[in-house]
Amino acid sequence: NAGVMQNPRHLVRRRGQEARLRCSPMKGHSHVYWYRQLPEEGLKFMVYLQKENIIDESGMPKERFSAEFPKEGPSILRIQQVVRGDSAAYFCASSPLDETNTGELFFGEGSRLTVL
Amino acid sequence: AQKVTQAQTEISVVEKEDVTLDCVYETRDTTYYLFWYKQPPSGELVFLIRRNSFDEQNEISGRYSWNFQKSTSSFNFTITASQVVDSAVYFCALSEFASGGSYIPTFGRGTSLIVHP
Repeated sequence: NAGVMQNPRHLVRRRGQEARLRCSPMKGHSHVYWYRQLPEEGLKFMVYLQKENIIDESGMPKERFSAEFPKEGPSILRIQQVVRGDSAAYFCASSPLDETNTGELFFGEGSRLTVL
Repeated sequence: AQKVTQAQTEISVVEKEDVTLDCVYETRDTTYYLFWYKQPPSGELVFLIRRNSFDEQNEISGRYSWNFQKSTSSFNFTITASQVVDSAVYFCALSEFASGGSYIPTFGRGTSLIVHP
């Protein structure tokens, strides 16, 4: 699971700035999930993507948040006009393209966003 | 309603004690999957085990064991003879078939285990 690469590991932004978090899935994996971990809370699902396609974004806030997974390059979680409440650890996970995929995920080390 | 409940927020034990982490889940699906993940201080979540809803057989892996009981919707995790290196946050997760056509895990809030030397 060390194959899921997230960067940056730490990001500091001032209120109103934009934050971009990147995730490269494990080799051979074509599904990417983003989760958010707030202090004292568990992991909250945000969005599930395949290449060039958002499969499920039921956990994404309606405004300021967007995600993409282009044909080439990493998946990107973008947060516009950040507010202090966006401070959290954002985890990316990947899984293989497999009909038997049951939700077993391989996680990256997370990106910790701090909004000043 | 919370789908995965880990009622224990924090557990503190002394090395060599046995400890059980509780997990209660809620689902209407007949096919689902349950997981435990470990999050050490470094932050990365590490997969420990997966169980499908049709397999209630308990499993043992070294000092780790899991007790799955559908009758009580529980999937508890026991560490025998705990060690300091077991100190971490442990997450239980439930994976159900989502409307988008895939399984998406829902995580509990986690139980922080602290093992003192």
